[in-house]
Amino acid sequence: QKEVEQNSGPLSVPEGAIASLNCTYSDRGSQSFFWYRQYSGKSPELIMFIYSNGDKEDGRFTAQLNKASQYVSLLIRDSQPSDSATYLCAVNPLSGTYKYIFGTGTRLKVLA
Amino acid sequence: NAGVTQTPKFRILKIGQSMTLQCAQDMNHNYMYWYRQDPGMGLKLIYYSVGAGITDKGEVPNGYNVSRSTTEDFPLRLELAAPSQTSVYFCASSYSAGNEQYFGPGTRLTVT
Repeated sequence: QKEVEQNSGPLSVPEGAIASLNCTYSDRGSQSFFWYRQYSGKSPELIMFIYSNGDKEDGRFTAQLNKASQYVSLLIRDSQPSDSATYLCAVNPLSGTYKYIFGTGTRLKVLA
Repeated sequence: NAGVTQTPKFRILKIGQSMTLQCAQDMNHNYMYWYRQDPGMGLKLIYYSVGAGITDKGEVPNGYNVSRSTTEDFPLRLELAAPSQTSVYFCASSYSAGNEQYFGPGTRLTVT
């Protein structure tokens, strides 16, 4: 089992719809969770981070964390063609350590 | 703030050559990291540093070396380049362990 798993996609959604991206992780003790957006040929750009169970909202983005079920998700409301990118989930499995485990990413395509 | 900067953006090396990838950050972050990203793979940690003078190996350190003489700079040295080192290299920094990471623009390296 991979430590951080994401569906590679592509996930295609129409413009204006909600895009839902999911990530599961294997280490039950994981503490910090991050979502990055990566455009083709560019570097990862931090979208959101979440540490506690529940929802965290920032503009059109909502991160959801469920530690009991070991998943974290990212919702993008009112999806725009400019949201088309690969979304990377990253997990810090042990609080206070350098280690971040990255998923391979989900490719999102927002269709105009 | 410039954030995390990397040079060069692109480089082609011949097998057996050496080079240094430069990385600098102006956010006064303690932690700095070097990752490589291969197509379809997640980011793999090469080396990391928790502060000036302190470095340690990540998942894939073979063929690389680092130094950290200042808080700002974290160069990555490739000795005796091999085709397996063809990849995109990202430098990142974070204030502390477990905090969000900020990435530089990347260096695309080809070894032929």
